[in-house]
Amino acid sequence: GENVEQHPSTLSVQEGDSAVIKCTYSDSASNYFPWYKQELGKRPQLIIDIRSNVGEKKDQRIAVTLNKTAKHFSLHITETQPEDSAVYFCAASSNAGGTSYGKLTFGQGTILTVHP
Amino acid sequence: GAGVSQSPSNKVTEKGKDVELRCDPISGHTALYWYRQRLGQGLEFLIYFQGNSAPDKSGLPSDRFSAERTGESVSTLTIQRTQQEDSAVYLCASREDMNTEAFFGQGTRLTVV
Repeated sequence: GENVEQHPSTLSVQEGDSAVIKCTYSDSASNYFPWYKQELGKRPQLIIDIRSNVGEKKDQRIAVTLNKTAKHFSLHITETQPEDSAVYFCAASSNAGGTSYGKLTFGQGTILTVHP
Repeated sequence: GAGVSQSPSNKVTEKGKDVELRCDPISGHTALYWYRQRLGQGLEFLIYFQGNSAPDKSGLPSDRFSAERTGESVSTLTIQRTQQEDSAVYLCASREDMNTEAFFGQGTRLTVV
Protein backbone atom coordinates (compact mmCIF):
# COMPACT_ATOMS: atom_id res chain seq x y z
CA GLY A 1 0.00 0.00 0.00
CA GLU A 2 0.85 3.69 -0.10
CA ASN A 3 3.55 5.04 2.23
CA VAL A 4 4.01 8.80 2.72
CA GLU A 5 7.15 10.15 4.35
CA GLN A 6 7.26 13.78 5.55
CA HIS A 7 10.24 15.92 6.56
CA PRO A 8 11.19 17.70 8.69
CA SER A 9 9.24 16.70 11.77
CA THR A 10 9.81 20.14 13.31
CA LEU A 11 10.64 23.46 11.65
CA SER A 12 11.39 26.74 13.35
CA VAL A 13 11.63 29.99 11.36
CA GLN A 14 11.67 33.72 11.97
CA GLU A 15 8.68 35.77 10.94
CA GLY A 16 9.03 36.78 7.31
CA ASP A 17 11.22 33.84 6.35
CA SER A 18 10.10 31.04 4.05
CA ALA A 19 9.26 27.51 5.17
CA VAL A 20 9.48 24.36 3.07
CA ILE A 21 8.06 20.95 3.97
CA LYS A 22 8.74 17.91 1.80
CA CYS A 23 6.89 14.64 1.28
CA THR A 24 7.61 11.51 -0.71
CA TYR A 25 5.13 8.82 -1.67
CA SER A 26 5.53 5.26 -2.83
CA ASP A 27 2.48 4.47 -4.98
CA SER A 28 2.88 5.76 -8.54
CA ALA A 29 -0.91 5.39 -8.94
CA SER A 30 -1.55 8.22 -6.44
CA ASN A 31 -2.96 11.25 -8.22
CA TYR A 32 -4.21 13.75 -5.64
CA PHE A 33 -2.04 15.41 -2.99
CA PRO A 34 -3.63 17.66 -0.33
CA TRP A 35 -1.96 19.59 2.47
CA TYR A 36 -3.73 20.10 5.79
CA LYS A 37 -3.08 22.54 8.63
CA GLN A 38 -4.01 21.54 12.16
CA GLU A 39 -4.00 24.15 14.89
CA LEU A 40 -3.79 23.04 18.50
CA GLY A 41 -6.97 21.28 19.59
CA LYS A 42 -8.66 21.77 16.23
CA ARG A 43 -9.52 19.57 13.29
CA PRO A 44 -7.22 19.40 10.22
CA GLN A 45 -8.25 21.81 7.47
CA LEU A 46 -7.21 21.84 3.83
CA ILE A 47 -4.91 24.69 2.85
CA ILE A 48 -3.95 23.67 -0.69
CA ASP A 49 -4.05 20.62 -2.94
CA ILE A 50 -2.58 19.54 -6.25
CA ARG A 51 -3.56 16.96 -8.80
CA SER A 52 -1.12 14.86 -10.78
CA ASN A 53 -1.75 16.65 -14.07
CA VAL A 54 -0.01 19.84 -12.86
CA GLY A 55 3.43 20.54 -11.46
CA GLU A 56 2.79 23.61 -9.33
CA LYS A 57 -0.06 25.48 -7.72
CA LYS A 58 -0.07 28.79 -5.82
CA ASP A 59 -2.51 30.47 -3.50
CA GLN A 60 -1.21 33.78 -2.13
CA ARG A 61 1.68 32.93 0.25
CA ILE A 62 1.30 29.18 -0.17
CA ALA A 63 2.50 27.02 -3.05
CA VAL A 64 2.81 23.32 -3.70
CA THR A 65 5.08 21.62 -6.22
CA LEU A 66 4.81 18.06 -7.47
CA ASN A 67 7.45 15.90 -9.15
CA LYS A 68 5.68 12.75 -10.34
CA THR A 69 8.84 11.15 -11.67
CA ALA A 70 10.60 11.40 -8.34
CA LYS A 71 7.35 10.87 -6.40
CA HIS A 72 7.74 13.85 -4.16
CA PHE A 73 5.82 17.02 -3.44
CA SER A 74 6.56 20.06 -1.32
CA LEU A 75 4.72 22.84 0.50
CA HIS A 76 6.22 26.32 0.36
CA ILE A 77 5.07 29.12 2.67
CA THR A 78 6.55 32.56 2.01
CA GLU A 79 6.58 35.60 4.31
CA THR A 80 5.67 33.44 7.29
CA GLN A 81 3.58 34.92 10.10
CA PRO A 82 3.11 33.76 13.71
CA GLU A 83 -0.40 32.58 12.85
CA ASP A 84 1.15 30.08 10.40
CA SER A 85 2.38 28.17 13.47
CA ALA A 86 0.62 24.80 13.44
CA VAL A 87 1.09 21.17 12.46
CA TYR A 88 1.08 20.56 8.71
CA PHE A 89 0.22 17.20 7.14
CA CYS A 90 0.70 16.07 3.58
CA ALA A 91 -1.35 13.25 2.10
CA ALA A 92 -1.64 11.13 -1.03
CA SER A 93 -4.83 9.70 -2.51
CA SER A 94 -4.54 6.40 -4.30
CA ASN A 95 -5.95 5.91 -7.77
CA ALA A 96 -5.21 2.19 -7.67
CA GLY A 97 -8.05 -0.29 -8.02
CA GLY A 98 -9.64 -2.39 -5.35
CA THR A 99 -10.49 -1.38 -1.82
CA SER A 100 -7.65 1.17 -1.71
CA TYR A 101 -9.10 3.34 -4.49
CA GLY A 102 -9.41 6.80 -2.97
CA LYS A 103 -7.63 5.89 0.26
CA LEU A 104 -6.02 8.94 1.85
CA THR A 105 -2.64 8.26 3.47
CA PHE A 106 -1.06 10.99 5.59
CA GLY A 107 2.52 11.88 6.36
CA GLN A 108 3.68 12.05 9.97
CA GLY A 109 3.26 15.81 10.26
CA THR A 110 5.55 18.84 10.64
CA ILE A 111 5.34 21.16 13.62
CA LEU A 112 5.98 24.65 12.25
CA THR A 113 6.84 27.41 14.70
CA VAL A 114 7.11 30.98 13.44
CA HIS A 115 8.90 33.27 15.90
CA PRO A 116 7.88 36.96 15.92
CA GLY B 1 -24.71 23.17 4.94
CA ALA B 2 -23.58 21.13 7.93
CA GLY B 3 -20.09 19.75 8.04
CA VAL B 4 -18.92 16.38 9.30
CA SER B 5 -20.37 15.78 12.74
CA GLN B 6 -18.97 13.39 15.34
CA SER B 7 -20.42 12.30 18.66
CA PRO B 8 -19.71 12.25 21.46
CA SER B 9 -17.10 15.04 21.58
CA ASN B 10 -15.54 13.50 24.65
CA LYS B 11 -15.83 10.04 26.14
CA VAL B 12 -14.30 8.73 29.34
CA THR B 13 -14.64 5.01 29.82
CA GLU B 14 -13.33 2.36 32.12
CA LYS B 15 -10.81 -0.15 30.88
CA GLY B 16 -12.58 -3.23 29.54
CA LYS B 17 -15.78 -1.46 28.54
CA ASP B 18 -17.01 -1.19 24.95
CA VAL B 19 -17.45 2.21 23.27
CA GLU B 20 -19.22 3.32 20.13
CA LEU B 21 -18.23 6.45 18.23
CA ARG B 22 -20.46 8.02 15.64
CA CYS B 23 -19.76 9.98 12.46
CA ASP B 24 -22.30 11.84 10.33
CA PRO B 25 -20.64 12.69 7.00
CA ILE B 26 -21.57 15.55 4.71
CA SER B 27 -24.64 14.60 2.68
CA GLY B 28 -23.71 13.16 -0.71
CA HIS B 29 -20.15 12.28 0.27
CA THR B 30 -19.45 8.74 -0.86
CA ALA B 31 -16.12 8.28 0.90
CA LEU B 32 -15.73 8.11 4.68
CA TYR B 33 -12.50 7.66 6.65
CA TRP B 34 -11.62 6.99 10.27
CA TYR B 35 -8.25 8.03 11.70
CA ARG B 36 -6.74 7.84 15.16
CA GLN B 37 -4.55 10.66 16.49
CA ARG B 38 -2.65 10.08 19.71
CA LEU B 39 -1.46 13.14 21.61
CA GLY B 40 1.14 15.00 19.58
CA GLN B 41 1.16 12.36 16.87
CA GLY B 42 0.06 12.01 13.25
CA LEU B 43 -3.09 10.72 11.60
CA GLU B 44 -3.14 6.95 11.80
CA PHE B 45 -5.43 5.38 9.19
CA LEU B 46 -8.00 2.95 10.58
CA ILE B 47 -10.68 2.19 7.97
CA TYR B 48 -12.12 3.61 4.74
CA PHE B 49 -15.58 3.22 3.19
CA GLN B 50 -16.25 4.05 -0.47
CA GLY B 51 -19.85 3.83 -1.62
CA ASN B 52 -21.07 0.25 -1.68
CA SER B 53 -17.58 -1.23 -2.13
CA ALA B 54 -15.99 -3.46 0.48
CA PRO B 55 -14.26 -1.27 3.07
CA ASP B 56 -10.48 -1.05 3.40
CA LYS B 57 -9.96 -2.32 6.95
CA SER B 58 -6.19 -2.58 6.70
CA GLY B 59 -5.55 0.01 9.43
CA LEU B 60 -7.62 -1.50 12.22
CA PRO B 61 -5.06 -2.27 14.95
CA SER B 62 -6.77 -5.35 16.41
CA ASP B 63 -9.96 -7.39 16.26
CA ARG B 64 -11.30 -5.25 19.11
CA PHE B 65 -11.89 -2.53 16.54
CA SER B 66 -14.72 -2.65 14.01
CA ALA B 67 -16.69 -0.14 11.98
CA GLU B 68 -19.88 -0.08 10.00
CA ARG B 69 -21.47 2.28 7.56
CA THR B 70 -25.05 2.15 6.33
CA GLY B 71 -25.08 3.05 2.65
CA GLU B 72 -23.60 6.53 2.25
CA SER B 73 -24.67 7.82 5.62
CA VAL B 74 -23.73 7.41 9.26
CA SER B 75 -20.75 5.36 10.36
CA THR B 76 -20.00 3.91 13.77
CA LEU B 77 -16.60 2.86 15.08
CA THR B 78 -16.79 0.31 17.88
CA ILE B 79 -13.95 -0.51 20.24
CA GLN B 80 -14.51 -3.55 22.42
CA ARG B 81 -12.80 -4.24 25.74
CA THR B 82 -11.05 -0.85 25.68
CA GLN B 83 -7.44 -0.58 26.79
CA GLN B 84 -5.51 2.46 27.99
CA GLU B 85 -3.55 2.57 24.74
CA ASP B 86 -6.84 3.21 22.92
CA SER B 87 -6.89 6.71 24.45
CA ALA B 88 -6.69 9.15 21.55
CA VAL B 89 -8.73 11.50 19.39
CA TYR B 90 -10.70 9.59 16.75
CA LEU B 91 -11.25 11.67 13.63
CA CYS B 92 -13.73 11.02 10.86
CA ALA B 93 -13.52 12.59 7.41
CA SER B 94 -15.71 12.47 4.32
CA ARG B 95 -15.19 13.25 0.67
CA GLU B 96 -17.44 13.72 -2.34
CA ASP B 97 -15.11 11.95 -4.77
CA MET B 98 -11.51 10.87 -5.23
CA ASN B 99 -10.19 14.19 -6.49
CA THR B 100 -11.69 16.54 -3.95
CA GLU B 101 -11.05 17.76 -0.46
CA ALA B 102 -11.71 15.57 2.56
CA PHE B 103 -13.51 17.38 5.37
CA PHE B 104 -12.82 16.39 8.96
CA GLY B 105 -15.14 16.23 11.90
CA GLN B 106 -14.14 17.77 15.22
CA GLY B 107 -13.16 14.37 16.57
CA THR B 108 -14.06 12.29 19.61
CA ARG B 109 -11.57 12.44 22.44
CA LEU B 110 -11.53 9.00 24.05
CA THR B 111 -9.96 8.54 27.47
CA VAL B 112 -9.70 5.05 28.93
CA VAL B 113 -9.13 5.03 32.69
